[in-house]
Amino acid sequence: RKEVEQDPGPFNVPEGATVAFNCTYSNSASQSFFWYRQDCRKEPKLLMSVYSSGNEDGRFTAQLNRASQYISLLIRDSKLSDSATYLCVVKDDYKLSFGAGTTVTVRA
Amino acid sequence: DTGVSQDPRHKITKRGQNVTFRCDPISEHNRLYWYRQTLGQGPEFLTYFQNEAQLEKSRLLSDRFSAERPKGSFSTLEIQRTEQGDSAMYLCASSPSGRAGEQFFGPGTRLTVL
Repeated sequence: RKEVEQDPGPFNVPEGATVAFNCTYSNSASQSFFWYRQDCRKEPKLLMSVYSSGNEDGRFTAQLNRASQYISLLIRDSKLSDSATYLCVVKDDYKLSFGAGTTVTVRA
Repeated sequence: DTGVSQDPRHKITKRGQNVTFRCDPISEHNRLYWYRQTLGQGPEFLTYFQNEAQLEKSRLLSDRFSAERPKGSFSTLEIQRTEQGDSAMYLCASSPSGRAGEQFFGPGTRLTVL
């Protein structure tokens, strides 16, 4: 079983739409969670940390459900520039485990 | 630009040859990581340095792979006797002490083994 599993998508949405997707993780003792973004042929970049109480960063909202071991990301008012692969990441000690990514394409 | 840099950006080699990649982390970061990423997958952890000490190697890192970080600055990743299955993007990342979740990635070295 993979440490982090994500729905690969793709999610194809119009500009202005809301899109949401989840990932699940296998290690119930994991403490820290993140979403990274990876544009085509580019390196991953940290999008946001995920806190137990949920958190927002502009149009992005992240939620953590420890009981069910899943993490979600919601993007409101999608922009063309949001088109990317979103990587769910779990940190154990210093090591990051990445999901395979969820691809989002925002169309005009 | 003071981000993470990697060299070369692309490497094509024949099976059986040795290759070496270099990573220069952000100067004030004492932690350095190597990952491998193949198409359609997320990055997979290979190894980790804190300063010059290599603290963990993934079981993905066979004995053909070796990494060093002399003096705790730049790092090299060497692959000996390359195989076609080694073809991948090799990513380097660095992070400041105490913030291992906030890793800054370099642009990667794309290795193609013919």
